[in-house]
Amino acid sequence: DQQVKQNSPSLSVQEGRISILNCDYTNSMFDYFLWYKKYPAEGPTFLISISSIKDKNEDGRFTVFLNKSAKHLSLHIVPSQPGDSAVYFCAARPPGNTDKLIFGTGTRLQVFP
Amino acid sequence: DAGVIQSPRHEVTEMGQEVTLRCKPISGHNSLFWYRQTMMRGLELLIYFNNNVPIDDSGMPEDRFSAKMPNASFSTLKIQPSEPRDSAVYFCASAKPGASRLGNTIYFGEGSWLTVV
Repeated sequence: DQQVKQNSPSLSVQEGRISILNCDYTNSMFDYFLWYKKYPAEGPTFLISISSIKDKNEDGRFTVFLNKSAKHLSLHIVPSQPGDSAVYFCAARPPGNTDKLIFGTGTRLQVFP
Repeated sequence: DAGVIQSPRHEVTEMGQEVTLRCKPISGHNSLFWYRQTMMRGLELLIYFNNNVPIDDSGMPEDRFSAKMPNASFSTLKIQPSEPRDSAVYFCASAKPGASRLGNTIYFGEGSWLTVV
């Protein structure tokens, strides 16, 4: 069973507008959430994270929102740029003394001019 | 600084053959992860080492898969015998202690693209 779900396999957004990528999780004990970005033929790279004790974290054009009651987080990119076109993975850290991350299936974002 | 180094980048092999994927983690990182990327399941964690010791191998699909970390700078993932359904991109990643708790991150290699025909 997927503990971290990204139900939208793809998203297409016009340059300059907002991109919103969504992620749902099942385990209320997850204590840290991260977003990774992946370009073709490259490994995923870290983008932004949020602790479960917060509900928002912002870094430049990227903002992550966490709604614990809904077990939902989202990544907002404003304004979207063509260089943001990539696959975005949501990840969560299980409780306990572990550094492993559980990833979702990814959402492919395409930003067109 | 060198990142996580994986080899081979691409491998095409016939069903039944043994496949060995290799990984050199970032120096100073004591956690190492093997992930597999497929369309259906995204990035799946196969196995996780800490200080060269396997901590969690619950994601290893079956006995055909094995992983070793003989020292802090090298790990292998072996599939024997390989099957077409093993075709995927295999990523190695490494991290400093407590990386995800710090919101730091784990660092991925560029992946090994495996095709079993």
